[in-house]
Amino acid sequence: DAGVTQSPTHLIKTRGQQVTLRCSPKSGHDTVSWYQQALGQGPQFIFQYYEEEERQRGNFPDRFSGHQFPNYSSELNVNALLLGDSALYLCASSSRTSSDEQFFGPGTRLTVL
Amino acid sequence: QKEVEQDPGPLSVPEGAIVSLNCTYSNSAFQYFMWYRQYSRKGPELLMYTYSSGNKEDGRFTAQVDKSSKYISLFIRDSQPSDSATYLCAMSVYYTGNTPLVFGKGTRLSVIA
Repeated sequence: DAGVTQSPTHLIKTRGQQVTLRCSPKSGHDTVSWYQQALGQGPQFIFQYYEEEERQRGNFPDRFSGHQFPNYSSELNVNALLLGDSALYLCASSSRTSSDEQFFGPGTRLTVL
Repeated sequence: QKEVEQDPGPLSVPEGAIVSLNCTYSNSAFQYFMWYRQYSRKGPELLMYTYSSGNKEDGRFTAQVDKSSKYISLFIRDSQPSDSATYLCAMSVYYTGNTPLVFGKGTRLSVIA
């Protein structure tokens, strides 16, 4: 079992650009949550996808959007990038029908110049 | 006031020391309290979780929750250099795979051989 995988590992963008990050959940999981971890901070919940729909959302602007595919993998899109969007973006997968923990991927480090 | 407060450290201890890590929180609805360990360039991994008040022990790790004081602790006995990592406390109202987690900033721990 490969666990939660994320791509790419690192990404450098300039202000105003758009970015897409990808996540494949752990085998058997159907729910994907995205978190933003700024340098020196704890992860902050962005949103969660289940059955290809956004189910819950944290305090993030509409520039942050996502998608979930039928195979449960997910994308996080960020438009009009700001310097403050530089962070480690973590994907966590879980099973909606289980009280099991959320498993985190290694993250994608986004740098906005 | 942030929902979860955690001293970011850094904390440096000699090998074999007892380490005490702490968080305070403001939301009395939190019932589940977790400790995650995050190595450099990795995603967080769950160490322990505790429901409501009380203690829980797992090997060299002990988690304590005092809901009356809104204070949680993680103790590491006989600390090892391999324990060097960032420790994140996290909390939630429910313990299900689809419940967003609220994290502290994390405390960076270095155990010196």
